Amino acid sequence: QVQLVQSGAEVKKPGASVKVSCKASGYTFISYGMSWVRQAPGQGLEWMGWISAYNGYTKYAQNFQGRVTLTTDTSTSTAHMELRGLRYDDTAVYFCARDPRLYDILTENRFDPWGQGTLVTVSS
Amino acid sequence: QSALTQPASVSGSPGQSITISCTGTSSDVGGYNYVSWYQQHPGKAPKVMIFDVSNRPSGVSNRFSGSKSGNTASLTISGLQAEDEADYYCCSYTSTGVRVFGGGTKLTVL
Repeated sequence: QVQLVQSGAEVKKPGASVKVSCKASGYTFISYGMSWVRQAPGQGLEWMGWISAYNGYTKYAQNFQGRVTLTTDTSTSTAHMELRGLRYDDTAVYFCARDPRLYDILTENRFDPWGQGTLVTVSS
Repeated sequence: QSALTQPASVSGSPGQSITISCTGTSSDVGGYNYVSWYQQHPGKAPKVMIFDVSNRPSGVSNRFSGSKSGNTASLTISGLQAEDEADYYCCSYTSTGVRVFGGGTKLTVL
């Protein structure tokens, strides 16, 4: 079955960087993209960005531009999200979600499935 | 990009129908047929219930349906069941190529 398994929880100090991984299985990795979404404690969902696993195209939400980098490793079917310059309000659960978008144009808006989430805590 | 507007909460009794709205602009909801809806139970990852305004993924109950009029999309749940109690989020594609979520709606089954 299609599955996304994320790396474990992280605790980081303000100003540090964090890299979260998302290993895909059960489908052809390069036939899909991957979106990343975060959820602060008790808050709603916030879309961070998308990467095409086919050609590496990326699109980032304005709130994260310059601070986040999405990458993929096709040899291991793994997507990565790196967030730099961590602040206290970056404390959140970070999700990866399979995204049918491969190119700049969207053909379908559906995130399915989602990873289990990775809690990133920013604390001094 | 501003978040889409959803009511903070809705409620209904078992067997009833409820509708959750999701209001955006002509640059997102109104401009594209790319609105999806997600259900999230506490402590769990979200699950897609509707994509591209009105399409239901396989395995999702036909009690869930979606529609759109102008800049507002809607999710309707008919025959409410206790297991439908959850948070619901809409998500739209936008003219700048990014996606944006709504603020979320807490559904309470009375």
